[in-house]
Amino acid sequence: DTGVSQDPRHKITKRGQNVTFRCDPISEHNRLYWYRQTLGQGPEFLTYFQNEAQLEKSRLLSDRFSAERPKGSFSTLEIQRTEQGDSAMYLCASSPRDTYEQYFGPGTRLTVT
Amino acid sequence: RKEVEQDPGPFNVPEGATVAFNCTYSNSASQSFFWYRQDCRKEPKLLMSVYSSGNEDGRFTAQLNRASQYISLLIRDSKLSDSATYLCVVSDSGGYQKVTFGTGTKLQVIP
Repeated sequence: DTGVSQDPRHKITKRGQNVTFRCDPISEHNRLYWYRQTLGQGPEFLTYFQNEAQLEKSRLLSDRFSAERPKGSFSTLEIQRTEQGDSAMYLCASSPRDTYEQYFGPGTRLTVT
Repeated sequence: RKEVEQDPGPFNVPEGATVAFNCTYSNSASQSFFWYRQDCRKEPKLLMSVYSSGNEDGRFTAQLNRASQYISLLIRDSKLSDSATYLCVVSDSGGYQKVTFGTGTKLQVIP
């Protein structure tokens, strides 16, 4: 399977804990996006990488959130001191150089108890 | 005003019917437009890009109206398998891509 992969698929954590999610984009795609989606809403943009450079970060993203893409390949999204309001599906998508079409991974469903 | 607005529906249509969704956007500088399909508890999947000249893919036709700042999706001969949420996506230009999703329009095709 050469699509976008995300790990883990599900994460249950207690409030106050830190969590880290991983995204492996399609190999030749240089753009990578993170989104958050809650029930009944469309995906909300969180951040965007072009290669290893983080070019855009939503103001929705508090300082508890950080994302990296150290070698321009896989990316990680870390949430520190999780809160119940962080419970959501976290989606990763990638996009090739010559188009802005995005291809999504299956998502990581986070539940904060 | 929201950046991208869609009627959430649900649109309940019988099999074989034609159904159309609209999506309005607020930023006149927006450059790229897409329709995605999302099944329940699954990730969004690209349905089609929307070009200035409009485009068609089988039973699906997408149109862009820049003057009125909306895009549309027409589905002809609806199938049960078309039941899903259809997400409108708008992105800006300018060196990086700020992407905004609509909240989606839910379609239920009934036998």
